[in-house]
Amino acid sequence: GAVVSQHPSWVICKSGTSVKIECRSLDFQATTMFWYRQFPKQSLMLMATSNEGSKATYEQGVEKDKFLINHASLTLSTLTVTSAHPEDSSFYICSVTRTVFTEAFFGQGTRLTVV
Amino acid sequence: QKEVEQNSGPLSVPEGAIASLNCTYSDRGSQSFFWYRQYSGKSPELIMSIYSNGDKEDGRFTAQLNKASQYVSLLIRDSQPSDSATYLCAVTFSGGYNKLIFGAGTRLAVHP
Repeated sequence: GAVVSQHPSWVICKSGTSVKIECRSLDFQATTMFWYRQFPKQSLMLMATSNEGSKATYEQGVEKDKFLINHASLTLSTLTVTSAHPEDSSFYICSVTRTVFTEAFFGQGTRLTVV
Repeated sequence: QKEVEQNSGPLSVPEGAIASLNCTYSDRGSQSFFWYRQYSGKSPELIMSIYSNGDKEDGRFTAQLNKASQYVSLLIRDSQPSDSATYLCAVTFSGGYNKLIFGAGTRLAVHP
């Protein structure tokens, strides 16, 4: 399977600060990456689709000004949680796919705790 | 609204038994179907993919797809305690962007 590296694996930040999470596709170029969020005992919820060289596409209910996505290269997408609050504490996971309609490969995930 | 439905469980089976996990989806245009396993605190890992009607077997795992009934299942034969995890059904919906939508997951517990 594809190797997807996500960093950091966990982060604790103070309320009101911003946190950046990186997702790297290590063995192929990914024009599209996906960002998910998972709360305890819940399923993965798609937040947004990150498109290389263009704006991300956000799912309904996801604040684009709060969750900033940048896909500046074919191997790197970043998610920045701005002005984080305790309710943003969650498990954030990125994924990539090789081609349309094929399986997604996931990064290791980032556990964000906002205190 | 595009949905993927699973029984949340927990599904408890004895070691060596067959575990049967089920999933239904709402979008008739869906083309790709996946089963992922997720251990607590970890990201999902792919178990099976299936794209056409019928059965697909890989080791102890068999995925079954029935597009007419909008139904996908996963059978785990000779269940082991190490199979205890949450199993997520995922469907790629039509409409572009190759979006993968997940069900809520079924928690499987295999007891010795």
